[in-house]
Amino acid sequence: DVKVTQSSRYLVKRTGEKVFLECVQDMDHENMFWYRQDPGLGLRLIYFSYDVKMKEKGDIPEGYSVSREKKERFSLILESASTNQTSMYLCASSPSDRLSSPLHFGNGTRLTVT
Amino acid sequence: GEDVEQSLFLSVREGDSSVINCTYTDSSSTYLYWYKQEPGAGLQLLTYIFSNMDMKQDQRLTVLLNKKDKHLSLRIADTQTGDSAIYFCAETDTSGTYKYIFGTGTRLKVLA
Repeated sequence: DVKVTQSSRYLVKRTGEKVFLECVQDMDHENMFWYRQDPGLGLRLIYFSYDVKMKEKGDIPEGYSVSREKKERFSLILESASTNQTSMYLCASSPSDRLSSPLHFGNGTRLTVT
Repeated sequence: GEDVEQSLFLSVREGDSSVINCTYTDSSSTYLYWYKQEPGAGLQLLTYIFSNMDMKQDQRLTVLLNKKDKHLSLRIADTQTGDSAIYFCAETDTSGTYKYIFGTGTRLKVLA
């Protein structure tokens, strides 16, 4: 079974802090994604990566950056956390050898910015 | 632009059937997915359907696709309390992009 592991289930940070959210997958998937989930808004794509050192902006990249130095790890960085970034963050991965492969999700990190 | 819409809440009694509906706008969508999210967890793939199919059945789950109306539904037979969760509809296409469009999610509450 594919395992996508997010390093923290809950995080509380202060406004202005630099925040790192880490995600690791163990199935050698090429594609990795970061979403945020907010009530009534569903999942919105922040960034995705289809290869090591490659990244593409999603629908809401402002205030975020990402890093993919190794195939199995995809990090989301909040350069200066703000209260409107309080949310549930979900990491996902998928293989690229099949078009439109389903996404495999981690359990999420609930971030609170105070 | 692309959009996927779902109603936010559904409440059913244990043992009844649940029907969760979804409408999408991207006519090029060729894969449509249903994901389930239990409290405190990520999303788990339940089932998916290719756009050249009208129906797919998998044990208690039946997916119906009406391509003309761009309407997708998920029917859960004999709904159990363990089915209480948020259900997301998602679409993607075969153009080679990696973009998945998710609906807002429908929170299903099963009453004992």
